[in-house]
Amino acid sequence: EVKLLESGGGLVQPGGSLRLSCAASGFTFSSYAMTWVRQAPGRGLEWVSTISGSGGSTYYADSVKGRFTISRDNSKNMLYLQMNSLRPEDAAVYYCAKILIRGVVISALDYWGQGTLVTVSS
Amino acid sequence: QVVLTQSPSASASLGASVKLTCTLSSGHSSYDIAWHQQQPEKGPRYLMKLNSDGSHTKGDGISDRFSGSSSGPERYLTISSLQSEDEADYYCQTWGTGIVFGVGTKLTVL
Repeated sequence: EVKLLESGGGLVQPGGSLRLSCAASGFTFSSYAMTWVRQAPGRGLEWVSTISGSGGSTYYADSVKGRFTISRDNSKNMLYLQMNSLRPEDAAVYYCAKILIRGVVISALDYWGQGTLVTVSS
Repeated sequence: QVVLTQSPSASASLGASVKLTCTLSSGHSSYDIAWHQQQPEKGPRYLMKLNSDGSHTKGDGISDRFSGSSSGPERYLTISSLQSEDEADYYCQTWGTGIVFGVGTKLTVL
């Protein structure tokens, strides 16, 4: 059974930093690209970033480029999102999600975590 | 960049069927999409990958009541025999240089 479990959310001041983690199990982690998606309160889903299975290719939404860094540790089956220079508009529930197709970097998302809440406020 | 258009809301009666629509922007009518369901206060759940030819691959445990179809730039999600737990937001998703979501359709089951 595929499981994705996010952690690391919390309250941070504008300009601050936070690191989110996602623990994956139930599949061959290194074979699949992984993605972060966020959802601001009362809003829709917004793609944040995607990383290839090897970690060698990364992609970012324009809204976070230069401020957020996606990474992974395939030896630990862990996905990360380092968020710097946080803004109030970054406040959201952050979900990690698995890419459907093995070896394809960007495609449908077929499994989601339960999310972790990030609040950006002074 | 591709844009996905969804109606913000839809409603149908308990036991009836409903067809939700996701429209791909001009020049992108051959794109495949995915449908996701988000029940209140829960994370999204993958329903299916829907190809431009109408073929689809459903997620684990997804009921036969959910089906997909395609016509030109339109991608459809049909839910039959509506149940109360089908009341949720439904998002379509596609991909190109990045991942794109529609705004979601809030389905109310009357």
